[in-house]
Amino acid sequence: SQQGEEDPQALSIQEGENATMNCSYKTSINNLQWYRQNSGRGLVHLILIRSNEREKHSGRLRVTLDTSKKSSSLLITASRAADTASYFCATAPVPHNTDKLIFGTGTRLQVFP
Amino acid sequence: GAVVSQHPSWVICKSGTSVKIECRSLDFQATTMFWYRQFPKQSLMLMATSNEGSKATYEQGVEKDKFLINHASLTLSTLTVTSAHPEDSSFYICSASGAGGWGETQYFGPGTRLLVL
Repeated sequence: SQQGEEDPQALSIQEGENATMNCSYKTSINNLQWYRQNSGRGLVHLILIRSNEREKHSGRLRVTLDTSKKSSSLLITASRAADTASYFCATAPVPHNTDKLIFGTGTRLQVFP
Repeated sequence: GAVVSQHPSWVICKSGTSVKIECRSLDFQATTMFWYRQFPKQSLMLMATSNEGSKATYEQGVEKDKFLINHASLTLSTLTVTSAHPEDSSFYICSASGAGGWGETQYFGPGTRLLVL
């Protein structure tokens, strides 16, 4: 399977703490994206980092990418109860003449108030 | 931001019936739409990629005759689950991409929960 893997599978923290999720993938990529899914809902795009970028920020989110290790991390700082959701990384593999994404296994984040 | 809708949001049907799910991009033209299936507490599994006006590309292991996909316009794609059986019960999610680039951002619908009795 081409599917990427994320760890941890589940993470429970208190409000105000930072949450770090890791993603590993198998093929060369064009870009890597992080999505969030609230229970029983669709996915919401959070951030995209291209293969020639190493770090990107968006609000309380910080994403890193290490193409030599085929891995990425998502850091959510000062977490809030509303951050409770599942988080998925998704890669755009190359050299595929397609714009499909390969999703990771996901991390379920629980933030306690 | 780009908005994608799905209809219905949930459906219960009897075994053997067919169910049609619609996916619409409301404020942009979607050159490509994707259909995913998700089991509880699991990741999304891509079923097929559809481009407007052409046949869908199905992922390995997905039955074309079972899951019929039509992408008749740049704003609408439909997934029909034919002769549904209990094992087809799942959460079906569509997404749309309009950038035309490779692996660009996908905008997701809210999902359709299908229960086959």
